[in-house]
Amino acid sequence: DAGVIQSPRHEVTEMGQEVTLRCKPISGHNSLFWYRQTMMRGLELLIYFNNNVPIDDSGMPEDRFSAKMPNASFSTLKIQPSEPRDSAVYFCASSTGQGRETQYFGPGTRLLVL
Amino acid sequence: SQQGEEDPQALSIQEGENATMNCSYKTSINNLQWYRQNSGRGLVHLILIRSNEREKHSGRLRVTLDTSKKSSSLLITASRAADTASYFCATRGGGSQGNLIFGKGTKLSVKP
Repeated sequence: DAGVIQSPRHEVTEMGQEVTLRCKPISGHNSLFWYRQTMMRGLELLIYFNNNVPIDDSGMPEDRFSAKMPNASFSTLKIQPSEPRDSAVYFCASSTGQGRETQYFGPGTRLLVL
Repeated sequence: SQQGEEDPQALSIQEGENATMNCSYKTSINNLQWYRQNSGRGLVHLILIRSNEREKHSGRLRVTLDTSKKSSSLLITASRAADTASYFCATRGGGSQGNLIFGKGTKLSVKP
């Protein structure tokens, strides 16, 4: 299995631009999680889906952030407009069941907003 | 809010020594998991211990869980330079929520 796939791996953009991060979970996993990691705040859960339905989006910082999961094999996290404080590493993870057990992380997308 | 808190924040040891990291949490749990993160990479699951277990082993890893003290420890025996990484504990509550809550991690440095 290829594991969780994220793209792009690195993204540099200017403030105000739209950023779209992509994730392909492990086949057969029905829970998908988006995290953000910074030095200051550590690893934060932004949103998670179960069977393509958003279950908890309380970690989404503000309306500039949105996430979708149109099918079981694809999810996007969009930031519009982006701001310098959004600079972080964004991880996608997937799991079986409702995420009660092991989560499998992708390699992350390193985002820099200038 | 943070559920797990690792201690110490950073640990530096020599190759061959044992490394012990601790995790404290606040609410009741179903299980507690430990993950490793190498620099610039995603987190990798190491071991899961359930709330009715007290100790678990996996290779050079030994995890203990004390639910009365709401704490867990991760012991890495005979450490190697390749063990250099950040280690996180993660917990989930007993309700229906499926998300894990991660601590801020312990940064382990193993010097050759």
